[in-house]
Amino acid sequence: EAGVVQSPRYKIIEKKQPVAFWCNPISGHNTLYWYLQNLGQGPELLIRYENEEAVDDSQLPKDRFSAERLKGVDSTLKIQPAELGDSAVYLCASSFSQGWGNEQFFGPGTRLTVL
Amino acid sequence: AQSVTQLDSQVPVFEEAPVELRCNYSSSVSVYLFWYVQYPNQGLQLLLKYLSGSTLVKGINGFEAEFNKSQTSFHLRKPSVHISDTAEYFCAVSEGGTYKYIFGTGTRLKVLA
Repeated sequence: EAGVVQSPRYKIIEKKQPVAFWCNPISGHNTLYWYLQNLGQGPELLIRYENEEAVDDSQLPKDRFSAERLKGVDSTLKIQPAELGDSAVYLCASSFSQGWGNEQFFGPGTRLTVL
Repeated sequence: AQSVTQLDSQVPVFEEAPVELRCNYSSSVSVYLFWYVQYPNQGLQLLLKYLSGSTLVKGINGFEAEFNKSQTSFHLRKPSVHISDTAEYFCAVSEGGTYKYIFGTGTRLKVLA
């Protein structure tokens, strides 16, 4: 069974440029998460989707970040414009449902470097 | 508010020696606890989880952890480490069984030959 797929794996851009990350969750997983992982830190939740609905985006900086999950499967996270402080690893995870300790499966992440 | 503390940022240990990675949490309600491992340039992989029942939890790759409610701890142990265990280990807590995981800052385990 394929795991969570993310692309690109690495991205280098100049500040003020836009950037987008793509995530394909494990087949059948209705819940999808985007996390931000700064260097030397644990992941922090940015947004959670239940099917195509964003049910928790309280930690997403909405002035420059946006996300979508059309058709409740793949998801895209966008930053426009990128800032130097956005350099980090962006992780996508998925699970069957949102509660009761259901395991979240993580993708390999996209490492973003903003110059 | 819940929080997770991993006091040791780095733990060097010789191959075949035992290791303990410490995790403490704070929460006013019941919690679910997790340990994840992250190998270089890879995503997080679940090692083990505590939801309820026996406080000693066994996971993959020979790891185990013990939930101690009175000390609000969930320390990870392995009796004999291998070079391949070199990785970053993250403790996480889910308060009240919700989806929201709070991760610690991680402990980098380096196994020396």
